Amino acid sequence: SQQGEEDPQALSIQEGENATMNCSYKTSINNLQWYRQNSGRGLVHLILIRSNEREKHSGRLRVTLDTSKKSSSLLITASRAADTASYFCATAYRRRGGSNYKLTFGKGTLLTVNP
Amino acid sequence: GAVVSQHPSRVICKSGTSVKIECRSLDFQATTMFWYRQFPKQSLMLMATSNEGSKATYEQGVEKDKFLINHASLTLSTLTVTSAHPEDSSFYICSASPADEQYFGPGTRLTVT
Repeated sequence: SQQGEEDPQALSIQEGENATMNCSYKTSINNLQWYRQNSGRGLVHLILIRSNEREKHSGRLRVTLDTSKKSSSLLITASRAADTASYFCATAYRRRGGSNYKLTFGKGTLLTVNP
Repeated sequence: GAVVSQHPSRVICKSGTSVKIECRSLDFQATTMFWYRQFPKQSLMLMATSNEGSKATYEQGVEKDKFLINHASLTLSTLTVTSAHPEDSSFYICSASPADEQYFGPGTRLTVT
């Protein structure tokens, strides 16, 4: 079953406002990551939060993780037009016998920040 | 640091031909590289995990004979789409992983006519 279901699917806000995106998942994880993707481009890693962490900050980004509810949120404060992109959460778990994590991506939230 | 390149960025090929896509980690060594495909306005779907010097591990439903993966060195993995068909048209993205995080390439847009 698919991990990482984001909501909302699309979000449109004005510059300066905060944007909150949520992600829910179904099975246990090692960590959860948020990525950004501009249209037709590759992914940019934003932030990683481990399963034993509850909150993490990076610049204007704030990520929370609630493992009891199997959910995470990404908050972008004081949004800018340049923040317009798709945002994906990805849950990571280590496969049995594996040396790296497997990422499973959600469907993403399309954020539009209007100037 | 942690730059991953892909080549080509765009490719158009005729149905029935094969296309090779390269993924390189430019400033780090990656024992593991991943290949994803992404349909328009959809999420990334993992196709296979590539480990240097060994056979790739394919996800369920991905044809290993159609999507050939070679990971000959710690900085290069290739994906070859064999006998391409229009339904193979997609955005293919690789990532390279030196540890916990994955660093993504810019993607390759494949169009099969």
